[in-house]
Amino acid sequence: GAVVSQHPSWVICKSGTSVKIECRSLDFQATTMFWYRQFPKQSLMLMATSNEGSKATYEQGVEKDKFLINHASLTLSTLTVTSAHPEDSSFYICSARRASTGELFFGEGSRLTVL
Amino acid sequence: AQKITQTQPGMFVQEKEAVTLDCTYDTSDPSYGLFWYKQPSSGEMIFLIYQGSYDQQNATEGRYSLNFQKARKSANLVISASQLGDSAMYFCAMRGSVSSGSARQLTFGSGTQLTVLP
Repeated sequence: GAVVSQHPSWVICKSGTSVKIECRSLDFQATTMFWYRQFPKQSLMLMATSNEGSKATYEQGVEKDKFLINHASLTLSTLTVTSAHPEDSSFYICSARRASTGELFFGEGSRLTVL
Repeated sequence: AQKITQTQPGMFVQEKEAVTLDCTYDTSDPSYGLFWYKQPSSGEMIFLIYQGSYDQQNATEGRYSLNFQKARKSANLVISASQLGDSAMYFCAMRGSVSSGSARQLTFGSGTQLTVLP
């Protein structure tokens, strides 16, 4: 089956630093990727929709300057948490939409802890 | 707007027994898709089963079946012959029609934590 890889799977950083998370579709082209955030024991909340070659569409309440999304190629989208603070600590999950079939595949998730 | 409701925050089931996880939805889209995902403690989202709103038959995938009742807007997941490895969080999700503009992302319910007892 199709594989979506997220890297890093976990990261610990100091408050004020920026962290980049990669979401890569390994064996298919993804014109659209989605970024979700999940707090412990809660549901996945859509943060933004990332379209290859264009600006991301952010959900209401998500700061676009805080969570920078880049979708530079058909297989890679990145989420950069800028000037991270402890409240940004969360589990971030991406999903990629296979261009040819429309199917959605999830990455393994990235656990961010900001000290 | 779409909404998914999972009213069972936690469920327990004895090993080898069947269990039903509830999911109701609300949408104005004429066409939509319903999904169930399993999320073990490791965090990855594992796709289980899909039901299209126009599918005539309830979806089945191995031990998973979806009890789709369109008029009642419910899409309950039935897991037969529960196994210890089924213990996880389960999410119901919906994707709308292209015309509504909501086709591209999934809307998730709050999840149900299933614990299978030995």
